[in-house]
Parts: sequence; C-alpha cells; structure tokens
Amino acid sequence: EPEVTQTPSHQVTQMGQEVILRCVPISNHLYFYWYRQILGQKVEFLVSFYNNEISEKSEIFDDQFSVERPDGSNFTLKIRSTKLEDSAMYFCASSGYRDLNYGYTFGSGTRLTVV
Amino acid sequence: DAKTTQPTSMDCAEGRAANLPCNHSTISGNEYVYWYRQIHSQGPQYIIHGLKNNETNEMASLIITEDRKSSTLILPHATLRDTAVYYCIVNVAGNQFYFGTGTSLTVIP
Repeated sequence: EPEVTQTPSHQVTQMGQEVILRCVPISNHLYFYWYRQILGQKVEFLVSFYNNEISEKSEIFDDQFSVERPDGSNFTLKIRSTKLEDSAMYFCASSGYRDLNYGYTFGSGTRLTVV
Repeated sequence: DAKTTQPTSMDCAEGRAANLPCNHSTISGNEYVYWYRQIHSQGPQYIIHGLKNNETNEMASLIITEDRKSSTLILPHATLRDTAVYYCIVNVAGNQFYFGTGTSLTVIP
C-alpha cells in the first residue's frame, strides 16, 4: 500500500535554530498538508498546499513557518527560528483529490524536540 | 471546536465487537461523518466516512442515526492492534479536518 514517508523520525534542535522537516507524499497525489500534535493535545491543521502554493493555513502557521515542494517529490516544512513551544509531532499528509471524501493518507510523523 | 462528543475511553475484549459512539447533534445537512484513528502517536489513519446511509468497509462499519445526530463506529472483531485513539470528525472547513480529543479504545486480551 502506498505510504507517505517522513524524515527524520525524531529531530532535536536548539532554540532559535532553523529546522526542515521532510516528507515524500504518495507519488500521484496533488494535495499536501502539514498537521502538528503537541504532546497530549489535539491534532491541529497547519497548512495545505496545491499547485505550488498554499491553499489554506491556520493561525498557527505564522511567518516562522514555510512550506515548499522543491523537486516534485519532496514536500518540506521549514521553521525558521524554533521556539520551545514548537516541540511537537509533525504529520505530513497527501491526497489525490481536493474532495475530503477521498480522505488523506498521513505519514508516521516527525517528533521535533526544541531544547 | 470539534462539534462532536465522544467518550474519553472504552475497553473491549479481544474478539468482541467494539462499538464507539459519537454525538454530533449540530451536524448540518451536507456534513459528512469521518472516522480516523491514531495508534500510539503515529499519523492518523482513515477508517471510514458517511453522510446518511450506513457504510461498511474492510476495517469497520459506520451506523448513522436517521436524524444524523449521532453515529457508531463498529469494529466487528477487535484485536489488540485496534488499541488506539478513535476520532469522530464532522468539523471540516475547506480541505482541513478539525480533530477533537477522541476515544481511547483499549482492547483487552
């Protein structure tokens, strides 16, 4: 079964450092998403991306965050200057359709720890 | 907010059916009910969704009441690998899901 692959599985970074989280969506999917989950809290939407631009973003997705599809296969989330409160699981997802009735496929996540 | 109410936790004996309820009394006519689960901090996994008819797939069945104010996810023969947090979602906007706190299902040997 096709999978969404995320790397690394765990990243530790110093506060103030830039971090890039990487995702390889399912190969024929066109819609891409990032969600995050702070330990013990809900899964929260960050951003959706289609046709090389952001479709929607939440209030969490401020100027410190950016997304990119640099080479047609990877989809990245960059946090420019990490804060302690950015520590969370970050999940990438992809879908072949905009219609939610086809669901998403989520990756296994990257655990980001900011120290 | 998530617009759904689910029990915080449930237990189920291995091999028995797990019935997970969800109340969504403010659901509007064109809103679907989606179920996802999350096994031990892995990424959420799609299970099933429906509008008003009952639905069944290889993972589960979804029973939606006639007034659509509640639904039940049924795992017909629960296994230990079904231990997870189960999310009932009706709150969607655009193409994003709003996850609530879900039901933590523990399947007991």
